[in-house]
Amino acid sequence: AIRMTQSPSSLSASTGDRVTITCRASQGINTYLAWYQQKPGKAPNLLIYAASTLQSGVPSRFSGSGSGTDFTLTISCLQSEDFATYYCQQYYNYPITFGPGTKVDVK
Amino acid sequence: EVQLLESGGGLVQPGGSLRLSCAASGLTFSTYAMNWVRQDPGKGLEWVSLISGSGDTTYYADSVKGRFTISRDNSKKTLFLQMNSLRADDTAIYYCAKGRGDITFGGVIVTWGQGTLVTVSS
Repeated sequence: AIRMTQSPSSLSASTGDRVTITCRASQGINTYLAWYQQKPGKAPNLLIYAASTLQSGVPSRFSGSGSGTDFTLTISCLQSEDFATYYCQQYYNYPITFGPGTKVDVK
Repeated sequence: EVQLLESGGGLVQPGGSLRLSCAASGLTFSTYAMNWVRQDPGKGLEWVSLISGSGDTTYYADSVKGRFTISRDNSKKTLFLQMNSLRADDTAIYYCAKGRGDITFGGVIVTWGQGTLVTVSS
């Protein structure tokens, strides 16, 4: 199975900050990568798929980049509603695997 | 609006069985791959299984292969997960989840149910 890692595991930030989260795959996955946001007590929400395609309805302050093994999720100007946990996921092959998550909390 | 409603969770003893159901509405059900994803409360996400729109193709996580079976009834727009030989580490919230398409993008999850809690304990 492809192993997904994320860094950092957590970060503290302030509203208005630019935030970058990194995801790495244990082998090349082309651009078969998605990013999800999850808030406490809620199901996850798809932000980005195909590494850089914004899901309909997701604010443009979210962006994704990368291919192969290294990927990033960037929030250009952090808003109060963005404090949450973020997961990357590869769907290049089965079994599908998620990263361990990055928690973004208030500084 | 697509809605997914899971049922069937509960408390079960180790070694026992449970069948989860997910009723879908607001979509052409047979067009989309469907997934089960689980999450131990307070921990990360674990993909469990996917079934193609037609039901002909299935995939499983290594941790559940041979114990869990995913299936679907397209005429009733319902997804199932039969869970046998349950273990304590199967304890989690189980989400029914709709893929963005069929097999190729089926693992990109665009819609999630509210989840149903499965607790495996004696």
